[in-house]
Amino acid sequence: SAVISQKPSRDICQRGTSLTIQCQVDSQVTMMFWYRQQPGQSLTLIATANQGSEATYESGFVIDKFPISRPNLTFSTLTVSNMSPEDSSIYLCSVETGTGYNEQFFGPGTRLTVL
Amino acid sequence: ELKVEQNPLFLSMQEGKNYTIYCNYSTTSDRLYWYRQDPGKSLESLFVLLSNGAVKQEGRLMASLDTKARLSTLHITAAVHDLSATYFCAAKLNYQLIWGAGTKLIIKP
Repeated sequence: SAVISQKPSRDICQRGTSLTIQCQVDSQVTMMFWYRQQPGQSLTLIATANQGSEATYESGFVIDKFPISRPNLTFSTLTVSNMSPEDSSIYLCSVETGTGYNEQFFGPGTRLTVL
Repeated sequence: ELKVEQNPLFLSMQEGKNYTIYCNYSTTSDRLYWYRQDPGKSLESLFVLLSNGAVKQEGRLMASLDTKARLSTLHITAAVHDLSATYFCAAKLNYQLIWGAGTKLIIKP
């Protein structure tokens, strides 16, 4: 398994500002993922972050709005830029382990409220 | 395009009863995942199923996979209140997981 921490756990931000969310893993992993989850909804993949390459964004998400860094195999950041109330959500990072099952483990999440 | 459908989306049941959550996926996938999410919490990995006929059990939960029918089931035996949560299935396509909508399970004492 993998132990994942996220900072901050929650934040309340003003419209137009930006927030950077950090994700730290206790072991080296190749693949890290950033998800968004609206209350009562399923998960939506924002992007996949691999070390040493540009993040791969899913349809509806763009780098200017959600820039991602992946400086090493244990750390990644997601920035939510120029925020609006529609960005209020829970943001989750996850990692895929390199075992045969390719299990994905999730961080505790960052609950973001934009006023 | 891979789509994943769960049903039911909401389930209220009494303690001690058995029930099954169904997860259908539309195209070939080489892994099927089940997760649990408690209110306000993150997701906890329950099972990863790899092959046709795979069955895994943990306590009162048992998951199975039928790749020919593109169906996975999560069976709950003699439900207890502590199993109340939202359960998600997800099918793997290339590098990403495609998620079902989730089944909110409420178990009444």
